Amino acid sequence: DQQVKQNSPSLSVQEGRISILNCDYTNSMFDYFLWYKKYPAEGPTFLISISSIKDKNEDGRFTVFLNKSAKHLSLHIVPSQPGDSAVYFCAASGSNDYKLSFGAGTTVTVRA
Amino acid sequence: NAGVTQTPKFQVLKTGQSMTLQCAQDMNHEYMSWYRQDPGMGLRLIHYSVGAGITDQGEVPNGYNVSRSTTEDFPLRLLSAAPSQTSVYFCASSYSGGAAYEQYFGPGTRLTVT
Repeated sequence: DQQVKQNSPSLSVQEGRISILNCDYTNSMFDYFLWYKKYPAEGPTFLISISSIKDKNEDGRFTVFLNKSAKHLSLHIVPSQPGDSAVYFCAASGSNDYKLSFGAGTTVTVRA
Repeated sequence: NAGVTQTPKFQVLKTGQSMTLQCAQDMNHEYMSWYRQDPGMGLRLIHYSVGAGITDQGEVPNGYNVSRSTTEDFPLRLLSAAPSQTSVYFCASSYSGGAAYEQYFGPGTRLTVT
């Protein structure tokens, strides 16, 4: 049973607009969350993270929001650029857990 | 630094054959792991290691073996390949496990079992 769910398989957005990617989790023991980005024929690369003591973390054009009560996090990309076209994975684990659980991924396409 | 390297990039096996996917890292990371990526399933953890001589099972370990004799290398062995093992395999390493530490991924091995 998947503990991390990304319910939108794909997202299409116009260049310059905001991309919002959503992720839900079921395990209340999760307290660290990451987003990875993956281009075709390459391995995933780390994008941004957040721990449960925060509700927001920002890094340039990327912001992750965490709503612990709803077990929900989201990634905002503003403004979206063509190079942002990729698959984005949400991942989570507990602080004492070596295992990382991934969502199924959301494919983002940024239109010119 | 080469980071995380994986060989081969592509492999085709017949059902019942065995093979080893190689993974090496030059960042002196203690934690290494293997994932498989399947459409609609994301990345699923196969096996992981928290240091040389220590390995443990992940979410989908059946049909795979690992060993960790050195810090640098973490090979994944398919004992008797099955079509269900057709997938893209990624090796990753980090200072420690879990989401508190960024994991560095290799470029992947695309395996097809016929």
